[in-house]
Amino acid sequence: AQTVTQSQPEMSVQEAETVTLSCTYDTSESDYYLFWYKQPPSRQMILVIRQEAYKQQNATENRFSVNFQKAAKSFSLKISDSQLGDAAMYFCAYRSATDSWGKLQFGAGTQVVVTP
Amino acid sequence: SAVISQKPSRDICQRGTSLTIQCQVDSQVTMMFWYRQQPGQSLTLIATANQGSEATYESGFVIDKFPISRPNLTFSTLTVSNMSPEDSSIYLCSALGFGGTNYGYTFGSGTRLTVV
Repeated sequence: AQTVTQSQPEMSVQEAETVTLSCTYDTSESDYYLFWYKQPPSRQMILVIRQEAYKQQNATENRFSVNFQKAAKSFSLKISDSQLGDAAMYFCAYRSATDSWGKLQFGAGTQVVVTP
Repeated sequence: SAVISQKPSRDICQRGTSLTIQCQVDSQVTMMFWYRQQPGQSLTLIATANQGSEATYESGFVIDKFPISRPNLTFSTLTVSNMSPEDSSIYLCSALGFGGTNYGYTFGSGTRLTVV
């Protein structure tokens, strides 16, 4: 079974600065999908960014970008120009491309604190 | 992307009773997923629900305790049966849309359950 590891329980960043969240995963598969989700205190899970493993180009969404290192099984998230609204729990998730059920495996999460 | 209405948003229940949580999606989806989440922690998958067939449960979760219904492509329920204080948690539903590689996951806003 695949495992997803987020080794940073909490990260603090000042407004307008950059923070990087780490995520590593363990898999023997070559085709899969990786996700970063944001969960604010409202509990609503919000998709931040998605990466297909067969794509070498790193995904970006506005101020959010990933550093996908397939050989190292690493999928870090960079938040640039941090805003107060970025404060939330961030989860890294893995989905096997061969899993017809589409189950997601989540990491433990990283709490992002944004200070003025 | 799809929108999920999850009800109730919170409830306080007596031990030994049962609570049914409902998730209604505004469009047809393939799989629906039920998670349990302790505050500040990750999501643990309880079961996967496919329309027209019995739900598939993860290790540690059984149908007698968490019966699930999936009568059509837009609706699912999770019942927490014979509750004890250990069942106090947040319960989240999620849905996987149709669309091949352009799929997306949607999450409900969660049900905060307290058993007294």
